Amino acid sequence: TQLLEQSPQFLSIQEGENLTVYCNSSSVFSSLQWYRQEPGEGPVLLVTVVTGGEVKKLKRLTFQFGDARKDSSLHITAAQPGDTGLYLCAGTHRGGYQKVTFGTGTKLQVIP
Amino acid sequence: EAGVVQSPRYKIIEKKQPVAFWCNPISGHNTLYWYRQNLGQGPELLIRYENEEAVDDSQLPKDRFSAERLKGVDSTLKIQPAELGDSAVYLCASSSRGRVEKLFFGSGTQLSVL
Repeated sequence: TQLLEQSPQFLSIQEGENLTVYCNSSSVFSSLQWYRQEPGEGPVLLVTVVTGGEVKKLKRLTFQFGDARKDSSLHITAAQPGDTGLYLCAGTHRGGYQKVTFGTGTKLQVIP
Repeated sequence: EAGVVQSPRYKIIEKKQPVAFWCNPISGHNTLYWYRQNLGQGPELLIRYENEEAVDDSQLPKDRFSAERLKGVDSTLKIQPAELGDSAVYLCASSSRGRVEKLFFGSGTQLSVL
């Protein structure tokens, strides 16, 4: 059972358009990460956010952690074909050891 | 620095046959994970090791799945016997101790059970 719901599940857009992906949960996380996965490869870490309300930018990608640390968003400005892939959020619960739970995934296709 | 290495990349077997996957984590990483990923979905944890100890195997179907991490380095995940529903990508990841968990993944093994 995956506790992190991502929306939308699929997204197909034209090059140059903007988009936002959402990651929602009823659980509070000590940190949240975003990964991108290309076909035939494992997920690659893009960013980690740890403070409620935190915003991080990575070139055209903007990541935000919700104030209550239960949700996050990923915004891409002027999408390019190289942004195509499966985007995954992953939340970490603090405990005896840090348990990482992945979201349901958002498959993005950017058409040239 | 070498990344996480998995083998084989692809495996096709008939149902009821056994299959094994191998993972070599990044040198110095104490934590090793095995995840299963269905097409277009997020990875789901099967088992997590801290050195040689399996600290979370609650999602591992123990009637047919087994795993080991001898000497706290390489790991092997086995399925016996395989079922049609086991077709998926099996991902191995490793991480080192730190304030925030950062997972480094291998390329995975794509299993097809016919």
